[in-house]
Amino acid sequence: DTGVSQDPRHKITKRGQNVTFRCDPISEHNRLYWYRQTLGQGPEFLTYFQNEAQLEKSRLLSDRFSAERPKGSFSTLEIQRTEQGDSAMYLCASSLDGLPFYEQYFGPGTRLTVT
Amino acid sequence: DAKTTQPNSMESNEEEPVHLPCNHSTISGTDYIHWYRQLPSQGPEYVIHGLTSNVNNRMASLAIAEDRKSSTLILHRATLRDAAVYYCILRDVIQNTGTASKLTFGTGTRLQVTL
Repeated sequence: DTGVSQDPRHKITKRGQNVTFRCDPISEHNRLYWYRQTLGQGPEFLTYFQNEAQLEKSRLLSDRFSAERPKGSFSTLEIQRTEQGDSAMYLCASSLDGLPFYEQYFGPGTRLTVT
Repeated sequence: DAKTTQPNSMESNEEEPVHLPCNHSTISGTDYIHWYRQLPSQGPEYVIHGLTSNVNNRMASLAIAEDRKSSTLILHRATLRDAAVYYCILRDVIQNTGTASKLTFGTGTRLQVTL
């Protein structure tokens, strides 16, 4: 296993369109996180899945955002009716319950540009 | 959420030690201190974490003040590959998950390493 993967790596879309991103965590990891990073800022937490259950959502996750992890493996993040303010890097991370140091492993991110 | 304060940027010469400071005056007794770094065009990666005692691993050392209101990440011999943004984070446990945590990144310290 080579780590967390995300697809696509880059996405350019017009305002008002819907976009969907995919995250494949490290295979045995039961915990999955989504973060968003805008230019010059650190990543901001969006949501957390433990297996297939979404247990935490940030106030940043507006009604236009929805995330799923249907079988407790890969996850998708959908943004409906995109706005220019949604332009950012969307990062996925995974971790394994029971590790002694609770490290989160991040993917390379999907860079979204809304024109 | 507890907050951390870090200098915006630091410079170091290659092969010299680097001390990256972090203030966290509002830390609570159960908050772990985590350090992550983000290399250009990559997702963040875990560096080290600690609670009260100083910690060493293959990447770095973490020195924690006795009152836990500050800590210092030490890179013993900086290399060009260590040029990155370094984030000091207080772990924020997600309720009802046991140990899952959301990472609250600040703006971090941008480390420049020169020959």
